[in-house]
Amino acid sequence: KQEVTQIPAALSVPEGENLVLNCSFTDSAIYNLQWFRQDPGKGLTSLLLIQSSQREQTSGRLNASLDKSSGRSTLYIAASQPGDSATYLCAVNSGGYQKVTFGIGTKLQVIP
Amino acid sequence: ETGVTQTPRHLVMGMTNKKSLKCEQHLGHNAMYWYKQSAKKPLELMFVYSLEERVENNSVPSRFSPECPNSSHLFLHLHTLQPEDSALYLCASSQMGNSPLHFGNGTRLTVT
Repeated sequence: KQEVTQIPAALSVPEGENLVLNCSFTDSAIYNLQWFRQDPGKGLTSLLLIQSSQREQTSGRLNASLDKSSGRSTLYIAASQPGDSATYLCAVNSGGYQKVTFGIGTKLQVIP
Repeated sequence: ETGVTQTPRHLVMGMTNKKSLKCEQHLGHNAMYWYKQSAKKPLELMFVYSLEERVENNSVPSRFSPECPNSSHLFLHLHTLQPEDSALYLCASSQMGNSPLHFGNGTRLTVT
């Protein structure tokens, strides 16, 4: 059974700092890995999706990497802004019909 | 409208009530999902519909009854719920295969 862990559970940083969020998973046989952002009381917004054959994906100030062999993914946020404050979730797709396992998330606060 | 739309945003119901949650997607996707999000727990997959057929039912109690009348609409019918069913219920859609999940903003359900 796939298990997904996100560390740290919460993170507080000053505005402008570069930061890294971590996601680890127990079964390396995955189809893809997706990073989401969730604002309080809202749904999930997809940030990046990395296919199992890829090593990284970039979108603006975000860069996600994937190392299947070690069961790890990182989300790098450059030059953080207060608007980046949210909970970031990692989701691992291990099978068809989107059998997706989510982590509990990292709650990020960027202080102005 | 674009994306995935869920109604209502908030719902308070007694344990003997019957209510329904509605989800509509405008993305042309062929798979739709119900997830449950409880505090400090990972998202739990409840049901998956692919081409309007239920293909996943993760041992969800029968007091939750899904319905998918067409590829754009998904309902979750609720009957005689328990207080522990209080949670954020999220609808998602995707193309079958390894494509990203797209989520609605969820329905915050409180069972009294």
